[in-house]
Amino acid sequence: QVQLVQSGAEVKKPGASVKVSCKASGYAFTGYYIHWVRQAPGQGLEWMGRVTPNSGLTNYAQKFQGRVTMTRDTSISTAYMELSRLRSDDTAVYYCARADSSGYYLEYWGQGTLVTVSS
Amino acid sequence: NFMLTQPHSVSESPGKTVTISCTGSSGSIASNYVQWYQQRPGSAPTTVIYEDNQRPSGVPDRFSGSIDSSSNSASLTISGLKTEDEADYYCQSYDSGSWVFGGGTTLTVL
Repeated sequence: QVQLVQSGAEVKKPGASVKVSCKASGYAFTGYYIHWVRQAPGQGLEWMGRVTPNSGLTNYAQKFQGRVTMTRDTSISTAYMELSRLRSDDTAVYYCARADSSGYYLEYWGQGTLVTVSS
Repeated sequence: NFMLTQPHSVSESPGKTVTISCTGSSGSIASNYVQWYQQRPGSAPTTVIYEDNQRPSGVPDRFSGSIDSSSNSASLTISGLKTEDEADYYCQSYDSGSWVFGGGTTLTVL
């Protein structure tokens, strides 16, 4: 069965960086886009971007351009999302999600990783 | 920037039917697929409708999606409401290569 298992919760200081991992299993990792979506406490879902595991190509939301880097390691079927210059309003649960075969919707989701930014 | 607007909350009684709207700010909402995600407290979202009106396997046919070009909106309709349907619902579409989520609607079944 398809599983996306994310790394554990993080606490960071303002200005620092955080790197969240998303280990995939149960399917051919290089065949499906991986997206990253975040959710601030009590707020809605916010799309951050996606990585194409086969090529490494990325597409980021304009809001995060210059601050986010999405990568992957195909040898261990793992995607990564690194966010730099953290601010308090980056405190959120960060989800990775795998698109379906057509790429149109998010079919499988990770369990989420809470990132807390606090001095 | 393209936005999707949803009502903040809706409520209805068990067994009834409820419709949640999702209105596009510009362009034609019919030009791109709309998806609907359900999120229960403390859990990751799951898909209930994709490609405007398709249900993933395992989603009951009480859930349906539609597009109304005249109002530039998409709708999620849930019939025969059950208490387990109580959750947040998000619509999602695309704009120039970026994915966009609506602000979410809290459904209360009381």
